[in-house]
Amino acid sequence: DAEITQSPRHKITETGRQVTLACHQTWNHNNMFWYRQDLGHGLRLIHYSYGVQDTNKGEVSDGYSVSRSNTEDLPLTLESAASSQTSVYFCASSSMGNYGYTFGSGTRLTVV
Amino acid sequence: QKEVEQNSGPLSVPEGAIASLNCTYSDRGSQSFFWYRQYSGKSPELIMFIYSNGDKEDGRFTAQLNKASQYVSLLIRDSQPSDSATYLCAFINTGTASKLTFGTGTRLQVTL
Repeated sequence: DAEITQSPRHKITETGRQVTLACHQTWNHNNMFWYRQDLGHGLRLIHYSYGVQDTNKGEVSDGYSVSRSNTEDLPLTLESAASSQTSVYFCASSSMGNYGYTFGSGTRLTVV
Repeated sequence: QKEVEQNSGPLSVPEGAIASLNCTYSDRGSQSFFWYRQYSGKSPELIMFIYSNGDKEDGRFTAQLNKASQYVSLLIRDSQPSDSATYLCAFINTGTASKLTFGTGTRLQVTL
């Protein structure tokens, strides 16, 4: 069965370190998205991609980067982790058109 | 004004009753609307989507859309304790091509 997987599920890192969160989907979806979820803010878009070599900034992109070298993967990199980036991160994918997303199971990141 | 407004709740309803969840949005270009359910510690899962004015029914769930009033709602009939979760409203504006904007969610508690 097709799926979307995120790794790791939990991560603790120190301030200033570079961290990469993985997202891999086997739906063959063109669209992939990274969101963070925090109490009181809901889901906020970090970066998104509509296909290979395409990346775009979302509303909270500062301090984050992504790259899309193939259809299946959209890794999210925190260049220099900050305590404000402690959050739950969700990856999602969708096909072309106006259909809803399929979400990964999330990564809980703690920056100490 | 937030793009999507939801009452954070908690909304408490007794088992067997109808739960009514509401969402208003500010973007008149919004085309497609989605309801996601998120259990505590889990990822959001799509339960309903609606594109046209009126009602759309799926089992115990009914989505209602009124584009003139910029209002979308979700009714859950015969509420069960397993319906206790946070419900997220989201929309796509075709001008933003497949990118979902989420509300902060309403927490529903179904009591015995």
